[in-house]
Amino acid sequence: KAGVTQTPRYLIKTRGQQVTLSCSPISGHRSVSWYQQTPGQGLQFLFEYFSETQRNKGNFPGRFSGRQFSNSRSEMNVSTLELGDSALYLCASSWGVAQETQYFGPGTRLLVL
Amino acid sequence: KNQVEQSPQSLIILEGKNCTLQCNYTVSPFSNLRWYKQDTGRGPVSLTIMTFSENTKSNGRYTATLDADTKQSSLHITASQLSDSASYICVVRTQTGANNLFFGTGTRLTVIP
Repeated sequence: KAGVTQTPRYLIKTRGQQVTLSCSPISGHRSVSWYQQTPGQGLQFLFEYFSETQRNKGNFPGRFSGRQFSNSRSEMNVSTLELGDSALYLCASSWGVAQETQYFGPGTRLLVL
Repeated sequence: KNQVEQSPQSLIILEGKNCTLQCNYTVSPFSNLRWYKQDTGRGPVSLTIMTFSENTKSNGRYTATLDADTKQSSLHITASQLSDSASYICVVRTQTGANNLFFGTGTRLTVIP
């Protein structure tokens, strides 16, 4: 069974641009969560989707948005990029929510210049 | 305020030795606690997930304990191996709230030969 895949793996953008990251969960998983990881802040929760509905949202500005499609694939978008958005963006999938084990993808490393 | 604190921040041990990592939390109401292992440059991998009623859970050489009364968890690694070198992250989920995932900043473990 294929694992969680994320595209692209690496991305370089400039301030003010917008970016869209993609996540394909493990087949059969209906829950997808997104996280931002930086050396200073560690792992921070962005949002969680289940069956196309946003179930939970972290404390990030409205520039960060996401969505989930009917096939459980998910995208997150960051508009008006700032230097501080440079980070590793991780996606995790699980069959359900709460008690389910999450499986992480390799992440997308975003560098904002 | 919901917080998760891990200690120590970093740890260096000799191959074959045991070690214990700590996670203290003030998150409430508690739903579950997870320990993740994250190798450098890769996404986190779930080691254990514990609910309120569970005191101990093992996954090979990894044993997690939970004391819900004192809001403390530990991850014990037995007979460490070089491949145990990684960051170990404690994550606590609450039962309520849109933002219900709280992350520790991790313990960086280095196992040396």
